Formats: sequence, C-alpha cells, structure tokens
Amino acid sequence: KNEVEQSPQNLTAQEGEFITINCSYSVGISALHWLQQHPGGGIVSLFMLSSGKKKHGRLIATINIQEKHSSLHITASHPRDSAVYICAVRFLSGGGADGLTFGKGTHLIIQP
Amino acid sequence: DTEVTQTPKHLVMGMTNKKSLKCEQHMGHRAMYWYKQKAKKPPELMFVYSYEKLSINESVPSRFSPECPNSSLLNLHLHALQPEDSALYLCASSQDIPVHPRAFFGQGTRLTVV
Repeated sequence: KNEVEQSPQNLTAQEGEFITINCSYSVGISALHWLQQHPGGGIVSLFMLSSGKKKHGRLIATINIQEKHSSLHITASHPRDSAVYICAVRFLSGGGADGLTFGKGTHLIIQP
Repeated sequence: DTEVTQTPKHLVMGMTNKKSLKCEQHMGHRAMYWYKQKAKKPPELMFVYSYEKLSINESVPSRFSPECPNSSLLNLHLHALQPEDSALYLCASSQDIPVHPRAFFGQGTRLTVV
C-alpha cells in the first residue's frame, strides 16, 4: 500500500532552534513536495524534490531516494514559521487520482 | 501573477441554501483541482479539471457540482449541504495533470453549514 508517514505530528520549539521534520514513504516515487499551511488555510508549495537537496532562505529540504526518506529543516526558527508542514509524494504507481498522496502533516509552533 | 485566488474566504450557509465557491488563476495552467480539508486532516481530492473538462470525480456527492467556465475559472456549486460538509475547500492549479511539480494552492474557503 502506498503510504506517507510524517513525524513528529506536533512540535513545539523555542525561537532560534533548529527544526527537523521527517517524511518517509513506502514505495518508489517520482517527486516529493513539502507544503506549508498557515492557520488561515492557504497552502504554499515550499519545495519539490526528486533527488538531493534544496535550500531557500532558512529552509532546507533533503531527500534520500534509497532510504525513501525526506527531511525539512528550518534554521533560526521564528514564530512566523508556525504552521502545518505537509509532505506529499507522487508515487511511481498507485498514487492518488491527481498523483499526490499527502502525509498527515506536522503541526509546528515556534514560541518567542 | 502566480496566485490562485479563492472567494469568498469564509461562507456560512444553511442546509437549504445554494451558494458557489470561486477559484481563479491567470498562470495559463490547464489543470485545476478542488480539495476538501477537515480539521487536522490532509486535503482530500474532490475534482480535477483538465483543459476545462472534468477528468476526475472522486465519488463526490451530487450536492457538490463543479463547473469550469473557462481556463482561468473554476466554480464549485453547493446545494442542500449537510453540517458534515463544513470544511476548508481548497483550489489548486498546475500546468497539467498529474500534478506538475509547481502546484499552486489558493487560500481556501472556510465553509460552515448550519
């Protein structure tokens, strides 16, 4: 069965801390997305990865295709980073109708 | 313009009302999507339009009726909803299906059915 697991489900940290959110998946994928959803609801696409590592500002995303695992890191975290971070993958076969299978999300709170 | 705009942002409707949600993008994307998201759950796909034609309907009840009048607009017509239909409704677009890496999501319409 094609599954996406995220950990942790909830994470509370102090401002400035280095944050890591993990995503693992069950079978081969062609792409993995990291999405950010703020309390207002709108979703922002942060990264799309198929291999290696990407960096944008204080955000870094890595993927290890062999281990079927991806991480999203936030350096020098700030209260405005508080959001739900969702991992979504496009499985090579058997994925959702639109090609994406979503993880349950990680609810991140950064306290001042 | 790299936005997907959804209106209204909030909507409260009675079970006998008829209302519509609107989604608009001007990025030339030919695939548009409706998702439903309940609290603390990931988005669930409802409909996919490709080149203004309905290509995927994920067994959504007929009280939800999508419409794609042109390549920039996607509507979701609501009629005789139930309280359990209260959720965040998200629209997304991409250059094509399956979801292109650069998928863009709207801010969502938070719907409450009373």
